[in-house]
Amino acid sequence: GQQVMQIPQYQHVQEGEDFTTYCNSSTTLSNIQWYKQRPGGHPVFLIQLVKSGEVKKQKRLTFQFGEAKKNSSLHITATQTTDVGTYFCAGPLGTYKYIFGTGTRLKVLA
Amino acid sequence: DGGITQSPKYLFRKEGQNVTLSCEQNLNHDAMYWYRQDPGQGLRLIYYSQIVNDFQKGDIAEGYSVSREKKESFPLTVTSAQKNPTAFYLCASKEDSNTGELFFGEGSRLTVL
Repeated sequence: GQQVMQIPQYQHVQEGEDFTTYCNSSTTLSNIQWYKQRPGGHPVFLIQLVKSGEVKKQKRLTFQFGEAKKNSSLHITATQTTDVGTYFCAGPLGTYKYIFGTGTRLKVLA
Repeated sequence: DGGITQSPKYLFRKEGQNVTLSCEQNLNHDAMYWYRQDPGQGLRLIYYSQIVNDFQKGDIAEGYSVSREKKESFPLTVTSAQKNPTAFYLCASKEDSNTGELFFGEGSRLTVL
């Protein structure tokens, strides 16, 4: 079946350092979404990418969708303690069946 | 306020008992989902429903059952056949479109003793 893998599984950074998580799908995706889950919380939507090669920015966060629409990345510039959490990518199988990646847990050391 | 409500937030049950987790949404979304999350793990899809009176198995449906009798409600029953039921269960909904975000409830944490 389709798999969506993320690397790394864990990342510890010093506050102010950059952070990147990579998402790879075994099949082409029509779109990809990114979510953040704070410790003890529920996933919250960050952004959606639809077009091949698309790049979107949200303040210190930069999201990319690969040319082949099988991979994506999230880059955080100058991490802050508020960035702590687990970042998930998610993609659809058809219209309704959304599969989530394995997640990258980010810890930021002050 | 529109959103998704899951209850209970915490639930303890003895092994061999069925439990039902509630999920209600007032977002007027057609699609609803149940995911399971284990400590330090990603989200795995249990069941999803595109429309009232219809639902589909996800990747880990064994030992679970659902119903979708009303648009707003998508309860999940964890049966005694589920071998490792202790987990964090998340309900989500989505509008009927090719895109659009998933809105999650706050989750239900089930512990089987």
